[in-house]
Amino acid sequence: NAGVTQTPKFQVLKTGQSMTLQCAQDMNHEYMSWYRQDPGMGLRLIHYSVGAGITDQGEVPNGYNVSRSTTEDFPLRLLSAAPSQTSVYFCASSYSSQGGYGYTFGSGTRLTVV
Amino acid sequence: GENVEQHPSTLSVQEGDSAVIKCTYSDSASNYFPWYKQELGKRPQLIIDIRSNVGEKKDQRIAVTLNKTAKHFSLHITETQPEDSAVYFCAAKPANQAGTALIFGKGTTLSVSS
Repeated sequence: NAGVTQTPKFQVLKTGQSMTLQCAQDMNHEYMSWYRQDPGMGLRLIHYSVGAGITDQGEVPNGYNVSRSTTEDFPLRLLSAAPSQTSVYFCASSYSSQGGYGYTFGSGTRLTVV
Repeated sequence: GENVEQHPSTLSVQEGDSAVIKCTYSDSASNYFPWYKQELGKRPQLIIDIRSNVGEKKDQRIAVTLNKTAKHFSLHITETQPEDSAVYFCAAKPANQAGTALIFGKGTTLSVSS
């Protein structure tokens, strides 16, 4: 049982490049989400999913796309990277889409856009 | 939408003292309030949570209290130890929002000196 696995751990992109951050969980969790963490800003919700085929926007969705074709995977796509997207990205999952259950976080992806 | 304010942003205590971190939320319908601890370079980890139908919850040296009328909740750490040094985040789950999306405070950096 690996929990929540994120890849890559580190990435440097040039402005305008695109890439996909991978997130996979093996706990059969319904709910998955992506957060970005910036100094002094806490964790801000980008996108989330309450089950396969269902996604929705969070607080800061601009510049990011997601899809949830399977229960296990929830990739985050950066369409055209900008320096403002330099951040640490965390994927998190939860047992229930109905709330009231703690998140399991992945180990994070540190992204630098130059 | 939900907004979570967390205070203080930094907190320094001597080993053995108590530490209190406070959060307020704006959505009176929010029904789940977890606390996460994040050590430097690590992922956030759930340390305690409380649901809206409970006023207080304890787990060894940590406790959380919830005042629904005032829309605030607090984390209490007693007999602090150097290993309690970390960033602590509070969060709230809006009841009227689909899924389990948590809205986080901006974090409190706790430093425990020996």
